[in-house]
Amino acid sequence: AQSVTQLGSHVSVSEGALVLLRCNYSSSVPPYLFWYVQYPNQGLQLLLKYTSAATLVKGINGFEAEFKKSETSFHLTKPSAHMSDAAEYFCAVSHSGNTGKLIFGQGTTLQVKP
Amino acid sequence: KAGVTQTPRYLIKTRGQQVTLSCSPISGHRSVSWYQQTPGQGLQFLFEYFSETQRNKGNFPGRFSGRQFSNSRSEMNVSTLELGDSALYLCASRYEDSNYGYTFGSGTRLTVV
Repeated sequence: AQSVTQLGSHVSVSEGALVLLRCNYSSSVPPYLFWYVQYPNQGLQLLLKYTSAATLVKGINGFEAEFKKSETSFHLTKPSAHMSDAAEYFCAVSHSGNTGKLIFGQGTTLQVKP
Repeated sequence: KAGVTQTPRYLIKTRGQQVTLSCSPISGHRSVSWYQQTPGQGLQFLFEYFSETQRNKGNFPGRFSGRQFSNSRSEMNVSTLELGDSALYLCASRYEDSNYGYTFGSGTRLTVV
């Protein structure tokens, strides 16, 4: 069975500081991994995805994530936080490109302090 | 191009009633999935439709059902509403290609009173 664990339900950083949101997955088959962001009262926006190509994935808004098979991790980073990055972030996994089922982590709320 | 459109955005229903939510996917997307989001349970998969066929189903009671039409638009129905069905219901669509991510709509906020 697949699962996703996001370490830390709340992360607080200062504006300009490094953002690191942690995601570990469990999957018996090569996974497809995604990071989504959700702003209040909105749906989910795809930040980036890993689909077995390059292990370092660059996404929108300056975010990137590195797939580490040995650590079963897919942590999300951004070198310098902006106030507009404050939102909830979700890591998700699916085991095949041919299924619409995403397994989501519980989410991490990112707070950015001025 | 237009994104995933969900209607209505907000809905208030009474316990015991039924409700139908609508999702129009991005043009050309044939796969539509539905998710329930609650503070306690997070994001949970309801079901997926592809070419009018349900291809995958989550662990929800039979009160939750869905369908997809020939134009790929999808509806989900919840019968005999319970207070616990109050949630944000999200629809997502995508091309039938593993390299594409899922595009989500803004959701329908259902409140059961």
